[in-house]
Amino acid sequence: GAVVSQHPSWVICKSGTSVKIECRSLDFQATTMFWYRQFPKQSLMLMATSNEGSKATYEQGVEKDKFLINHASLTLSTLTVTSAHPEDSSFYICSARATGVNTEAFFGQGTRLTVV
Amino acid sequence: AQSVTQLGSHVSVSEGALVLLRCNYSSSVPPYLFWYVQYPNQGLQLLLKYTSAATLVKGINDFEAEFKKSETSFHLTKPSAHMSDAAEYFCAVNLGGSQGNLIFGKGTKLSVKP
Repeated sequence: GAVVSQHPSWVICKSGTSVKIECRSLDFQATTMFWYRQFPKQSLMLMATSNEGSKATYEQGVEKDKFLINHASLTLSTLTVTSAHPEDSSFYICSARATGVNTEAFFGQGTRLTVV
Repeated sequence: AQSVTQLGSHVSVSEGALVLLRCNYSSSVPPYLFWYVQYPNQGLQLLLKYTSAATLVKGINDFEAEFKKSETSFHLTKPSAHMSDAAEYFCAVNLGGSQGNLIFGKGTKLSVKP
């Protein structure tokens, strides 16, 4: 299957700083990318959907000014957690899919963010 | 609205025993259904998917699932559990179309006893 690379796999940052997480589709063009957040022992919650070249669509309750998403190219999307706080500590997972009907979404390996 | 319910947050089986993980869905349109596996601190790996073709879907690692419209179910099975199958399993429904996102169930943790 196609490969989606997410970087970094884990990061520790100080409260108040910003952290950028990258999601790359290595062997296909990702028209759409999704960002999920997963709390411990819980399911994935969709945060936002981004289409290349346009603004991301955020799910209800997700602060777009805090979680900045950029999808500037067909192979790269970034999630920046701004002014991070301990409650932002979580596992963040991206997925990417190409254009077409019934196209599969491929997942990155996730990023464990710990804010201290 | 589409939703997914996974019955049982934790299932424990013995090595070599049958694995049955339950998933029921709710959808106002013909659904696309998926099963994913997640190992600790990793992303999701697709096990299998149903996209309106054959109702019995075979996936990787001898997993399979059967789409039953009358029961609105898509249960995941494996004839013989292996220690390496211990992981978290998620059932998901696609809202449809090339831009549809996935709605996930809450997950079922599978433990395999030696």
